[in-house]
Amino acid sequence: AQSVAQPEDQVNVAEGNPLTVKCTYSVSGNPYLFWYVQYPNRGLQFLLKYITGDNLVKGSYGFEAEFNKSQTSFHLKKPSALVSDSALYFCAVREPDSGYALNFGKGTSLLVTP
Amino acid sequence: GAVVSQHPSWVICKSGTSVKIECRSLDFQATTMFWYRQFPKQSLMLMATSNEGSKATYEQGVEKDKFLINHASLTLSTLTVTSAHPEDSSFYICSARLGPITGELFFGEGSRLTVL
Repeated sequence: AQSVAQPEDQVNVAEGNPLTVKCTYSVSGNPYLFWYVQYPNRGLQFLLKYITGDNLVKGSYGFEAEFNKSQTSFHLKKPSALVSDSALYFCAVREPDSGYALNFGKGTSLLVTP
Repeated sequence: GAVVSQHPSWVICKSGTSVKIECRSLDFQATTMFWYRQFPKQSLMLMATSNEGSKATYEQGVEKDKFLINHASLTLSTLTVTSAHPEDSSFYICSARLGPITGELFFGEGSRLTVL
């Protein structure tokens, strides 16, 4: 079975400071990992993904994530947060042989204050 | 990126009526689409996988007769909530795959259903 955990319900950070949104996964094989962002009453927007290769993945809007196999983590990061980054962030996992659907974490609400 | 369109964005209906939500892939063909349901401040729960030209595959606990899914063409999947009740009120989001299994899913903007 595949699962993904986001241990924080909410992350607060001041504008200009670095931000980290945590995600850990549990899959039986090599995972495909994704981050999405959701604004209120909207669908999900793709930020980045890890399939294979470099552990540091760069995505949209200045976000990046680091795949750590030993810690089974895929934390989302940004060097300098913007107020407009405030949204709900979802980590998702797909096992290579499990079909195409994604299994989502519960989401982390990011609040960036001016 | 690829565009997935959902309609309607908002719908309010009376208890006992049926509501249809459409999901279209605008600039690509999608043999597979996915329907998710999201409760307030909660994650997305996969309801079913919609396969073009064949029956949908429902996740455990999802009522097939309540949530009818039809994928009649490579660009359109519909979700019909039959005999809706207030507990069916939720945010329904569809998504479609473009490319290989390593590819990301593209999501519609979601449809908020309120059953009175």
